[in-house]
Amino acid sequence: EAQVTQNPRYLITVTGKKLTVTCSQNMNHEYMSWYRQDPGLGLRQIYYSMNVEVTDKGDVPEGYKVSRKEKRNFPLILESPSPNQTSLYFCASSLRTRFGGELFFGEGSRLTVL
Amino acid sequence: GEDVEQSLFLSVREGDSSVINCTYTDSSSTYLYWYKQEPGAGLQLLTYIFSNMDMKQDQRLTVLLNKKDKHLSLRIADTQTGDSAIYFCAESKDTGGFKTIFGAGTRLFVKA
Repeated sequence: EAQVTQNPRYLITVTGKKLTVTCSQNMNHEYMSWYRQDPGLGLRQIYYSMNVEVTDKGDVPEGYKVSRKEKRNFPLILESPSPNQTSLYFCASSLRTRFGGELFFGEGSRLTVL
Repeated sequence: GEDVEQSLFLSVREGDSSVINCTYTDSSSTYLYWYKQEPGAGLQLLTYIFSNMDMKQDQRLTVLLNKKDKHLSLRIADTQTGDSAIYFCAESKDTGGFKTIFGAGTRLFVKA
């Protein structure tokens, strides 16, 4: 089954404790992206990757890191989480064409930073 | 600017039509999308329209695009309780890195 898998789905942590949210897709998509969803703000892009070893900042990259060592995986790293990073995070992948393309989303990871 | 704007809430009775509206600002957008998010789940593509089209119909869904006013709408005919969800309008454009910009989402409540 074609899917984007994120882990963990739920996490409560404390300020400053490094964490990683993993994302894996089995569709051989080149494009992957991380979004955060906050009430009234919709989805805001954190980082994206056009291909292996190619990553770029989205609209809200501060406090986050990513890596793309393999095509299928795109982990999101919070080196020193803070309460304003409490949010619902989505990983997405896409087979991008010249003019765009459907984004396939994971089920989301709800993160609470105390 | 890159804003995609939509109203936050819509309430309809079961069996009525729902119309969710969206405005966008970038006339160079190539694709415009409607994504649906059900409770506890990620977003799923519902339908899309290419920027050179005015209308697209897919079963109970009708998408209308007014490029002059930069206005996109999604009409759901015979709305059912299973249509209760958040609907996101999104635009996609080639910025050299492909960007999909989402609105804040419209929460649709369907009353039985």
